[in-house]
Amino acid sequence: DQQVKQNSPSLSVQEGRISILNCDYTNSMFDYFLWYKKYPAEGPTFLISISSIKDKNEDGRFTVFLNKSAKHLSLHIVPSQPGDSAVYFCAAAYNFNKFYFGSGTKLNVKP
Amino acid sequence: EAGVTQFPSHSVIEKGQTVTLRCDPISGHDNLYWYRRVMGKEIKFLLHFVKESKQDESGMPNNRFLAERTGGTYSTLKVQPAELEDSGVYFCASSLSLGTGRKETQYFGPGTRLLVL
Repeated sequence: DQQVKQNSPSLSVQEGRISILNCDYTNSMFDYFLWYKKYPAEGPTFLISISSIKDKNEDGRFTVFLNKSAKHLSLHIVPSQPGDSAVYFCAAAYNFNKFYFGSGTKLNVKP
Repeated sequence: EAGVTQFPSHSVIEKGQTVTLRCDPISGHDNLYWYRRVMGKEIKFLLHFVKESKQDESGMPNNRFLAERTGGTYSTLKVQPAELEDSGVYFCASSLSLGTGRKETQYFGPGTRLLVL
């Protein structure tokens, strides 16, 4: 059973606007959450993370929000740039061991 | 500093054949993980090495899959005999242990694209 879900397989956004990618999880034991970005023919690269003791973490144009009661996290990219076009994977971990990934959301930022 | 490398980048084999995938982690990283992504679905955990020991192999699909990490450096993942459903992208990742059970985030290799015909 998939414990991390990304229900939007794709998202299209105009350059300069905000991109919001969503992720839901089922296991309340998860204590660490991450977003990875993946370009074609490359491996996922770490983007940003958040511990379960926080509800927001910001790094430049990227902000991750965590809503533990709803078991939901989101990634905001502001402003979106064409180079942000990639597949974004949400991941969760318990005690920082194996990661549980979602199926990814393909973001297309249009110039 | 070199990242995680994987070999080969692509492999096309026939059902019943054997394939061995190799992963070289970032130097000094004790933790090595294997993951697989099938047909655009989620990236699924296969197993986790700490140095040469298997810490968690709960994600290994069946006994046709054998992973090794002799000497605690590079790792191999052998599929024997390969079946059609083994097709997918196999990712390797590594991370640093920070002591007291804490780990750094995982750094992924580019993956090996396996196609079983």
